[in-house]
Amino acid sequence: NAGVMQNPRHLVRRRGQEARLRCSPMKGHSHVYWYRQLPEEGLKFMVYLQKENIIDESGMPKERFSAEFPKEGPSILRIQQVVRGDSAAYFCASSQDRGYRVDGYTFGSGTRLTVV
Amino acid sequence: GESVGLHLPTLSVQEGDNSIINCAYSNSASDYFIWYKQESGKGPQFIIDIRSNMDKRQGQRVTVLLNKTVKHLSLQIAATQPGDSAVYFCADNIRGDKIIFGKGTRLHILP
Repeated sequence: NAGVMQNPRHLVRRRGQEARLRCSPMKGHSHVYWYRQLPEEGLKFMVYLQKENIIDESGMPKERFSAEFPKEGPSILRIQQVVRGDSAAYFCASSQDRGYRVDGYTFGSGTRLTVV
Repeated sequence: GESVGLHLPTLSVQEGDNSIINCAYSNSASDYFIWYKQESGKGPQFIIDIRSNMDKRQGQRVTVLLNKTVKHLSLQIAATQPGDSAVYFCADNIRGDKIIFGKGTRLHILP
């Protein structure tokens, strides 16, 4: 069981470019959560998805950010027209169900986005 | 806004001593709490959790205490080791849908 896989581990983009971050959940997990972490800060919730559905996007910025979790393939967090303030570590977690116990939430190692 | 927060940003502990990391929460509806450990360059790793119908839970070398009266929880690490160096986050999970993190406490282990 490979765990939650995120790629790329590091991503450098120039201002105005697009960033695509990928997350493959653990085998058997159909719930995906994206978080953003600024340096020396805690993780901030962004979005919660199930296959083909966005369940909760209350943490997503209103513009330039979008997320999807298609029937086949990884979940994608997409940031259009990146700005320097988007530089952060982006973490993905997955769980088997919408259960109450969160020890089933497994985090990936993150993608570190640097906007230059 | 955040419903959980950490008391201290940094904690230094002598190797072999016990570490106590504190956390306060503000939402009375919070009924499930989690402690995570995050090492440099890695994602958060689950340590231990506790539900509001409990006031203490023990794991391997770790104990979490919950005081609902003052909305406070703590993580105790026994016989702290160099491998315990990390940032520790308390988090709550009100409805089971998403986890809300506090800012974290960085634990330094002194030789």
